[in-house]
Amino acid sequence: NAGVTQTPKFRILKIGQSMTLQCTQDMNHNYMYWYRQDPGMGLKLIYYSVGAGITDKGEVPNGYNVSRSTTEDFPLRLELAAPSQTSVYFCASSLRSESYEQYFGPGTRLTVT
Amino acid sequence: AQKVTQAQTEISVVEKEDVTLDCVYETRDTTYYLFWYKQPPSGELVFLIRRNSFDEQNEISGRYSWNFQKSTSSFNFTITASQVVDSAVYFCALREVQETSYDKVIFGPGTSLSVIP
Repeated sequence: NAGVTQTPKFRILKIGQSMTLQCTQDMNHNYMYWYRQDPGMGLKLIYYSVGAGITDKGEVPNGYNVSRSTTEDFPLRLELAAPSQTSVYFCASSLRSESYEQYFGPGTRLTVT
Repeated sequence: AQKVTQAQTEISVVEKEDVTLDCVYETRDTTYYLFWYKQPPSGELVFLIRRNSFDEQNEISGRYSWNFQKSTSSFNFTITASQVVDSAVYFCALREVQETSYDKVIFGPGTSLSVIP
């Protein structure tokens, strides 16, 4: 199993551009998550999904959108990128709920200039 | 209000020393889960342990041990005989079952551990 994969690994965006961060897991996990990690900080939840077709906001959802059309994929969309969205983005999945351990992808380092 | 506190921002130890990473949490739930994750320099977070609020037994896994004390709301992590490979940022996290309006795991700010050879 590849686990949780994320693409791209690095990206530089100009202010106002849009992009989609891809996330795929092959563990048949129901729950998937998007976090951002700012320097010296813990992770903050952006969006999460409890199954295909179901998504919900986390702690910092503004400026982002998600979709979950399949169990495996959970893309994160940034519309109108802003410098405040410069961060490292992690996708994660867990078997059932957050009470179970989460498996993380390698992260995407995004810079908005 | 911050619900997971890791007061030690950075720790440096010499190889083979023991080191304890502190985690203090705040919750009004009676049912909750605590986690530790490791983030090595490669960047990927790795799950280390999960503990639910009803299980106060300490746990040992090789050189790693965890001390859960509900009376002090602490879930400390000790590495015995530290090794260079232990160098990483370690995150403590809390999952409240009832309190939150949305499902989430709250991560602490992390402790950066450097083990010097």
